[in-house]
Amino acid sequence: EAQVTQNPRYLITVTGKKLTVTCSQNMNHEYMSWYRQDPGLGLRQIYYSMNVEVTDKGDVPEGYKVSRKEKRNFPLILESPSPNQTSLYFCASSPSGLAGGYYNEQFFGPGTRLTVL
Amino acid sequence: GENVEQHPSTLSVQEGDSAVIKCTYSDSASNYFPWYKQELGKGPQLIIDIRSNVGEKKDQRIAVTLNKTAKHFSLHITETQPEDSAVYFCAARGSNTGNQFYFGTGTSLTVIP
Repeated sequence: EAQVTQNPRYLITVTGKKLTVTCSQNMNHEYMSWYRQDPGLGLRQIYYSMNVEVTDKGDVPEGYKVSRKEKRNFPLILESPSPNQTSLYFCASSPSGLAGGYYNEQFFGPGTRLTVL
Repeated sequence: GENVEQHPSTLSVQEGDSAVIKCTYSDSASNYFPWYKQELGKGPQLIIDIRSNVGEKKDQRIAVTLNKTAKHFSLHITETQPEDSAVYFCAARGSNTGNQFYFGTGTSLTVIP
């Protein structure tokens, strides 16, 4: 089944304890992205990646890191989580992110609910 | 960067009526405008999209219109059904690199049977 998977789905942690949220897609998509969803703010893009070894900052990259060593995986790393990073996180992938490209639909994962105490 | 505003934040309609959700954007160079539906406990799912060179697009009960001059686009759902109840997000793809997406704040639609 074509899908985007995220792990873990739920995580409660403490301030300063490094964590990684994994994201994997099995559709051979070039474009992958991370979003956070907060009440009243909608979805905000954290980082995105056009392809392997190519990553760019989105609207709210502070406090996050990403890597794209393989096409299928795009982990989100919080080196020193803080309470303001408590949020619902979504990973998404798309066949192509190229401007003017014809394959722009983003497929979203099920989400990871993170609580930082 | 791009700024996308979405209204209303909540919308209740009777089953069978139409629902309209409106979004405005700030970057006149934005060229792609998708709409996503998010059901409770799930990730958003694309329901329709439109490119800047098109004024309207329809898919069964769903339609999207784009007014480039006014920089606004709207989602129209006709003959609403209870299963249309969800949160809807509009989005715009920014023009700086063409690869960054900006989402509206969402509209919670409730269809009353």
